[in-house]
Amino acid sequence: ELKVEQNPLFLSMQEGKNYTIYCNYSTTSDRLYWYRQDPGKSLESLFVLLSNGAVKQEGRLMASLDTKARLSTLHITAAVHDLSATYFCAVEADSNYQLIWGAGTKLIIKP
Amino acid sequence: SAVISQKPSRDICQRGTSLTIQCQVDSQVTMMFWYRQQPGQSLTLIATANQGSEATYESGFVIDKFPISRPNLTFSTLTVSNLSPEDSSIYLCSVVGDAKKLFFGSGTQLSVL
Repeated sequence: ELKVEQNPLFLSMQEGKNYTIYCNYSTTSDRLYWYRQDPGKSLESLFVLLSNGAVKQEGRLMASLDTKARLSTLHITAAVHDLSATYFCAVEADSNYQLIWGAGTKLIIKP
Repeated sequence: SAVISQKPSRDICQRGTSLTIQCQVDSQVTMMFWYRQQPGQSLTLIATANQGSEATYESGFVIDKFPISRPNLTFSTLTVSNLSPEDSSIYLCSVVGDAKKLFFGSGTQLSVL
């Protein structure tokens, strides 16, 4: 059974700092997703990582995937308040887009 | 990207009643997914709904409780039946769009009294 673990579950940080969110999963998978959710809102797709060594960047966020270690990271560079949200990783359990989700990381960035 | 219109956005229902949630997509999609997000929790897949076939339910979810319709490639409904307070959650529909991304509806926040 595929399990997805995210850590930390809660992160409070100052603007301008760097930090990393980790996503570990228990069995092999071909696809890993990162999403952002603002309070009371739906989910916004950030990244889709499809292969070992994949790295994608958008603004201050960078995601990477190591399929051998079954680990993905979401790195935040020089955080700004607008990045405050809950971030989820999700791993595809089979080839039909059925995703198993991490518990989410609630990120609070203080001005 | 796919644009999904989901409604209602929220509802308050009495115990024992049912709520039907609708999702309309602006393009034809083969696969549509229904998720539940309990308060402060992550997402759990309820079922996969493909047009022209019965929905496929995940472990712990049954058709009698969560009947799904998928009459065409742009529309689906999820009904949550015989409501109890434990059904209070956000329900989300999702479709596969371009670049293998999953796009989500705006969600339906259900509160059961």
